[in-house]
Amino acid sequence: SAVISQKPSRDICQRGTSLTIQCQVDSQVTMMFWYRQQPGQSLTLIATANQGSEATYESGFVIDKFPISRPNLTFSTLTVSNMSPEDSSIYLCSVAASGVQETQYFGPGTRLLVL
Amino acid sequence: SQQGEEDPQALSIQEGENATMNCSYKTSINNLQWYRQNSGRGLVHLILIRSNEREKHSGRLRVTLDTSKKSSSLLITASRAADTASYFCATGMRGGGADGLTFGKGTHLIIQP
Repeated sequence: SAVISQKPSRDICQRGTSLTIQCQVDSQVTMMFWYRQQPGQSLTLIATANQGSEATYESGFVIDKFPISRPNLTFSTLTVSNMSPEDSSIYLCSVAASGVQETQYFGPGTRLLVL
Repeated sequence: SQQGEEDPQALSIQEGENATMNCSYKTSINNLQWYRQNSGRGLVHLILIRSNEREKHSGRLRVTLDTSKKSSSLLITASRAADTASYFCATGMRGGGADGLTFGKGTHLIIQP
């Protein structure tokens, strides 16, 4: 199984600012994903981070608000731009398993509070 | 939109009892997965059942899938305090291979000592 780390683990930010979340995997993976979990809610897929090309965003999420980088097969970043209190959530990255690719391994999440 | 809908939303049982959670989904699937989340942290994959399977076991976990009713259930037998967590079902968004997942709303399970 892949070991995934995220930085920061939590942060408190002021509205109007931006935060970049890092996701590091201990092995090369093809598919990386970013999810949002709003307080008391389930997870919603933000985008698929593609290596060497632009991320693929799901309905309701746009690149200007959530720019994503994927410079190599072990690393990705998600930026939450021009934050508002509604962006307060847990942000999680995940990777597809190398064996059963439908299965995903998740990072520990970044807990964001926007004031 | 949410693919899976779990019920109950919350479940509290005594240690040693069995816990059953249900999930319904709306579209055709290739497989359905169950994940566990402890205290708002990262998710842990529990089990995957494919659309041509009806039942699958892993340790104290038993998952069933009824594609005609578009529903699945997760049974945890002989529950322990450490099983206290939120449980989510998930399906692939576009049905093939490595794919973003659509999660249900989840069941929050509390095991009383």
